[in-house]
Amino acid sequence: AQSVTQLDSQVPVFEEAPVELRCNYSSSVSVYLFWYVQYPNQGLQLLLKYLSGSTLVKGINGFEAEFNKSQTSFHLRKPSVHISDTAEYFCAVNSNTGKLIFGQGTTLQVKP
Amino acid sequence: GAGVSQTPSNKVTEKGKYVELRCDPISGHTALYWYRQSLGQGPEFLIYFQGTGAADDSGLPNDRFFAVRPEGSVSTLKIQRTERGDSAVYLCASSPDRANTEAFFGQGTRLTVV
Repeated sequence: AQSVTQLDSQVPVFEEAPVELRCNYSSSVSVYLFWYVQYPNQGLQLLLKYLSGSTLVKGINGFEAEFNKSQTSFHLRKPSVHISDTAEYFCAVNSNTGKLIFGQGTTLQVKP
Repeated sequence: GAGVSQTPSNKVTEKGKYVELRCDPISGHTALYWYRQSLGQGPEFLIYFQGTGAADDSGLPNDRFFAVRPEGSVSTLKIQRTERGDSAVYLCASSPDRANTEAFFGQGTRLTVV
């Protein structure tokens, strides 16, 4: 069975500071990895995905993530956050069966 | 429209009633998914359609939940004898195929059972 653990439920950070949102997964098969963002009262939007190839993946809005197979991690990073990045962030895995398994989510709170 | 459309956006129903939630996927997308998101949780998989058939319904919590996609486009999630524990946001997503392509999500239907 697959599972996803997001290690921090809330991450407060000041504007223009760097941030890392942590994600670990468990799977007995190869996986595809995703980060989604959910702004208040909106649907989920894909930030980035890892399918194969380079382990450093760049996404929208200046976010990037690094796939680490040995540590089964896929942490999300941004070097300088903005107030507008305040949202809920979800890590997810997909083993090519179609369905996504999501983590519990991390609330990023960017303070001025 | 260009995105996944879900109606209604909000639904309040009394315990024991029957509800239907509708999802209009992106045109041409063959894969359609339903998820349920409870407060403070990540979305949980309910059911996946490839075309008209349910390819995986392992996430449906019990036999009160049922979903259809008769023509391979619009899907309806049906909940019978609703319970207060069914209150959640029900999300629909579609993708061009089942595998590793991006799943596009609708804004969800917030169901409240009182």
